[in-house]
Amino acid sequence: NAGVTQTPKFQVLKTGQSMTLQCAQDMNHEYMSWYRQDPGMGLRLIHYSVGAGITDQGEVPNGYNVSRSTTEDFPLRLLSAAPSQTSVYFCASSYGVRGGTGELFFGEGSRLTVL
Amino acid sequence: LAKTTQPISMDSYEGQEVNITCSHNNIATNDYITWYQQFPSQGPRFIIQGYKTKVTNEVASLFIPADRKSSTLSLPRVSLSDTAVYYCLVPRRGYSTLTFGKGTMLLVSP
Repeated sequence: NAGVTQTPKFQVLKTGQSMTLQCAQDMNHEYMSWYRQDPGMGLRLIHYSVGAGITDQGEVPNGYNVSRSTTEDFPLRLLSAAPSQTSVYFCASSYGVRGGTGELFFGEGSRLTVL
Repeated sequence: LAKTTQPISMDSYEGQEVNITCSHNNIATNDYITWYQQFPSQGPRFIIQGYKTKVTNEVASLFIPADRKSSTLSLPRVSLSDTAVYYCLVPRRGYSTLTFGKGTMLLVSP
């Protein structure tokens, strides 16, 4: 199993450009989520999904869009990149978040720089 | 919001036992407590999960008192490679998601 795969690992954008960070998991996990991590900070939740066709906002959703058309994939779209979105992005998945199923598996991260 | 509170940082020396305590006053009845470890430039990694009393695995122990309003991660005989940020996670009450706090930065010195 590959686990959680994120692409790209590195990306440089100009202000106003759009892009999509890809996340795929092969563990048949229902729950998937996106976090961003800035220097010296913990991880902040952007969006999450509890199953195909269901998404919800996290702590810092503004400027980001998600969709969940399949169980495996959970792409994160930056609609119009801003320097404040310079960060490291992590995708994570699990069977669930309650009842002892909540071990999150993380991707390797995507480092995004917006100039 | 099932907020968790942990110390911002801790210092230790190689070979010592380290205990990191997390408070989670608003934990729901059915929820588990999970701890993660994060090294620089990597995603967090699962360490241990528990519901009550004591859980032990090959890397750590987790102690949870009867009221479940706190938990303590115990790392026996730490080494330099245990220098990392440790996060305590509890699901947000009423939400189907997991949010991270700032974690505890553990620095192990020779």
